[in-house]
Amino acid sequence: DAEITQSPRHKITETGRQVTLACHQTWNHNNMFWYRQDLGHGLRLIHYSYGVQDTNKGEVSDGYSVSRSNTEDLPLTLESAASSQTSVYFCASRSGTSGNGEQFFGPGTRLTVL
Amino acid sequence: LAKTTQPISMDSYEGQEVNITCSHNNIATNDYITWYQQFPSQGPRFIIQGYKTKVTNEVASLFIPADRKSSTLSLPRVSLSDTAVYYCLVGPPSGNTPLVFGKGTRLSVIA
Repeated sequence: DAEITQSPRHKITETGRQVTLACHQTWNHNNMFWYRQDLGHGLRLIHYSYGVQDTNKGEVSDGYSVSRSNTEDLPLTLESAASSQTSVYFCASRSGTSGNGEQFFGPGTRLTVL
Repeated sequence: LAKTTQPISMDSYEGQEVNITCSHNNIATNDYITWYQQFPSQGPRFIIQGYKTKVTNEVASLFIPADRKSSTLSLPRVSLSDTAVYYCLVGPPSGNTPLVFGKGTRLSVIA
């Protein structure tokens, strides 16, 4: 069955370190998204991609970057981790061209920046 | 995407029917209404989508009046396992517009 996975599931890092969160989907979806979720803020969009070599900024993109070298993966990089980036990160994918537009989410990565 | 407004939280006892209403006054002609459910420590998952009148599946029903400026998600006979956050989204059913999630409605089911 097709799926979307994230790794690691939990990560503790120190302020200033570079961190990369992996996202892999086997739906063959063109569209992929990264969200962060904090108490009281719901899900906020960080970056998204509509296909290989395409990346776009979301509402909270400062301090984050993504790259899309193939259809299956959209890694999220925190260039220099800050305590304010402690959060739960969700990756998602969506067809974009067919069906009801259902968006599939990964299980999430809990990141703690000390 | 059209802005949506829904209650921040709701409480219900087990076995009751729960109705969560979402307002979307600026809904566009080609917009659909979609609801997602998020359990604690999990990503959201799609539960139902509709354009007008009523849609029902094994999880919920969605009621949409003729003017489409609001919609109601109905969960029949809730159980403790229905405790979750429910998000209402309005937009085209496919295409490249990112989904924007508000804060949703936190439903707590009490025994």
